[in-house]
Amino acid sequence: EAGVAQSPRYKIIEKRQSVAFWCNPISGHATLYWYQQILGQGPKLLIQFQNNGVVDDSQLPKDRFSAERLKGVDSTLKIQPAKLEDSAVYLCASSLRGGQGTGELFFGEGSRLTVL
Amino acid sequence: QKEVEQDPGPLSVPEGAIVSLNCTYSNSAFQYFMWYRQYSRKGPELLMYTYSSGNKEDGRFTAQVDKSSKYISLFIRDSQPSDSATYLCAMRGNTNQAGTALIFGKGTTLSVSS
Repeated sequence: EAGVAQSPRYKIIEKRQSVAFWCNPISGHATLYWYQQILGQGPKLLIQFQNNGVVDDSQLPKDRFSAERLKGVDSTLKIQPAKLEDSAVYLCASSLRGGQGTGELFFGEGSRLTVL
Repeated sequence: QKEVEQDPGPLSVPEGAIVSLNCTYSNSAFQYFMWYRQYSRKGPELLMYTYSSGNKEDGRFTAQVDKSSKYISLFIRDSQPSDSATYLCAMRGNTNQAGTALIFGKGTTLSVSS
């Protein structure tokens, strides 16, 4: 079974530039999450989708971050304009049934962003 | 007070040692408790999960949950160099809504030397 795919793996940009990350979840997984993991910290939820609808985006800095999940499959996370403090690994995860049962999350390898 | 507290370490032990990793939490609504392992430059992967209180054992790993104390633990017996990784505790509530995201601790970095 193919895992969660993310791209690009690494990105270096200047502050105030824009960047986009792409995620393809495991086939059939209805719930998709974007987490931000700053060095030395645990992952912090940015946004959660159920199919193509947003379930929770309370911690997404909406003045600069946006995310969409078209057709309930792939997702894109965009940052515009980027700030130095956005330097982090952006992890995409998917789960089969969201909050039901164990709701195990399967993570991709992450997209590492460095903002200079 | 953060919802989930975890000592980041680092923790260094010799091969064969017993390792104890712990987290405390403040939200009494949490029902599912998990431990994820994260190798360097990789995404986290589920290691153990426990529903509500109690113990769960899987090979060299034992997870314990004490809801009365809001304290969870992961024990690793006969630790191996391949166990060197960051261990993240994670937890969430129980809801019928499709999508309760996990709240993670900071992670504890473990190094097992041969």
